[in-house]
Amino acid sequence: NAGVTQTPKFRVLKTGQSMTLLCAQDMNHEYMYWYRQDPGMGLRLIHYSVGEGTTAKGEVPDGYNVSRLKKQNFLLGLESAAPSQTSVYFCASTKAGTSRAGELFFGEGSRLTVL
Amino acid sequence: AQKITQTQPGMFVQEKEAVTLDCTYDTSDPSYGLFWYKQPSSGEMIFLIYQGSYDQQNATEGRYSLNFQKARKSANLVISASQLGDSAMYFCAMRETRPAGNNRKLIWGLGTSLAVNP
Repeated sequence: NAGVTQTPKFRVLKTGQSMTLLCAQDMNHEYMYWYRQDPGMGLRLIHYSVGEGTTAKGEVPDGYNVSRLKKQNFLLGLESAAPSQTSVYFCASTKAGTSRAGELFFGEGSRLTVL
Repeated sequence: AQKITQTQPGMFVQEKEAVTLDCTYDTSDPSYGLFWYKQPSSGEMIFLIYQGSYDQQNATEGRYSLNFQKARKSANLVISASQLGDSAMYFCAMRETRPAGNNRKLIWGLGTSLAVNP
């Protein structure tokens, strides 16, 4: 029962470095999301995808790029990391077309620190 | 304006007592869904309960129930017989269906931190 798996769990970057967070889900979900969580800010949507090959911007997309080449994978990229991107990142997925499509399944989170 | 408001940044409850966590929402969409999630100190986000705007009865899931008052636009989470393991952050969220595309995203509140005292 893997569910939603995020890698890596922890990463420290220097300003200007790039990295990719990988999210993989084995539930055949259509929708996938990347959130960031900062103290006192709740969850903020970075990008999301409603299917293979499609992505869309969320509330805070600047500085991030995403790709969904396969249905089960959703990648979040930071091309040039900035200290403001220090955060905990969550990937989530859900099945489309149901009234409970907000029932998200989350990964364990990835803690990213940018120095 | 906030679409999801959780007015209680922090709450305390004695073990075995019931506690209500408040959530008010703002939408003009007649069809929407309301969700509660739990985030323990370990960090994972756990889905707790769902209420649809057209559901006639309040949702219940074990010790969790949702006090849904549609006219007041409130969807309070009630936890009965609190346990130490209920200590966590609790988030309320809403999914609208209009305009098109909104049904693909959740709107989140800022959360309420619940501490259960032994």
